[in-house]
Amino acid sequence: KQEVTQIPAALSVPEGENLVLNCSFTDSAIYNLQWFRQDPGKGLTSLLLIQSSQREQTSGRLNASLDKSSGRSTLYIAASQPGDSATYLCAVWGTSGSRLTFGEGTQLTVNP
Amino acid sequence: DAGVTQSPTHLIKTRGQQVTLRCSPKSGHDTVSWYQQALGQGPQFIFQYYEEEERQRGNFPDRFSGHQFPNYSSELNVNALLLGDSALYLCASSLARGRLYYEQYFGPGTRLTVT
Repeated sequence: KQEVTQIPAALSVPEGENLVLNCSFTDSAIYNLQWFRQDPGKGLTSLLLIQSSQREQTSGRLNASLDKSSGRSTLYIAASQPGDSATYLCAVWGTSGSRLTFGEGTQLTVNP
Repeated sequence: DAGVTQSPTHLIKTRGQQVTLRCSPKSGHDTVSWYQQALGQGPQFIFQYYEEEERQRGNFPDRFSGHQFPNYSSELNVNALLLGDSALYLCASSLARGRLYYEQYFGPGTRLTVT
């Protein structure tokens, strides 16, 4: 059974800092890994999707890497802003089921 | 394109009652998946509908059931509500067409509170 873990559970940083969110998964048989952002009480916004054959994806100030063999992914946020404050969720799509398996998220607060 | 829509936005029910949540997929999508997200947790997969049939199911009791209509919209029904059913229910739509994996687009969710 696939399990996804995110560290840290919560993070508070001053504005302008670069930061890294971590995600690990127990079964490396995946098609892709996806990072989402969730604002309080809202739905999920997809940030980056990395196919299993890829090593990283970039979008603006965001960069996500994937090491499938070790079951790890990182989300790097450059020059953080207060508007980046949200919960960040990592999810994997395994080869044995048509579904996403999510971690519990990292709650990020960027202080002005 | 309106994207994925869900109704209602919020709902308050009493233990033992039944509830129906609705989802309209993104235009052109044929698959709807439902997830339950308890407060402070990540979403958990409930089930997925494709071609009006339940294609996959997560670890949820039979009190949770669903339906997909010919226009690809979907309903999630929960019977005999428990306090633990209080959560944000997320719908995600995709274009599966027999592919092994496909990107899911999430709606804004329905917040269900059971008292």
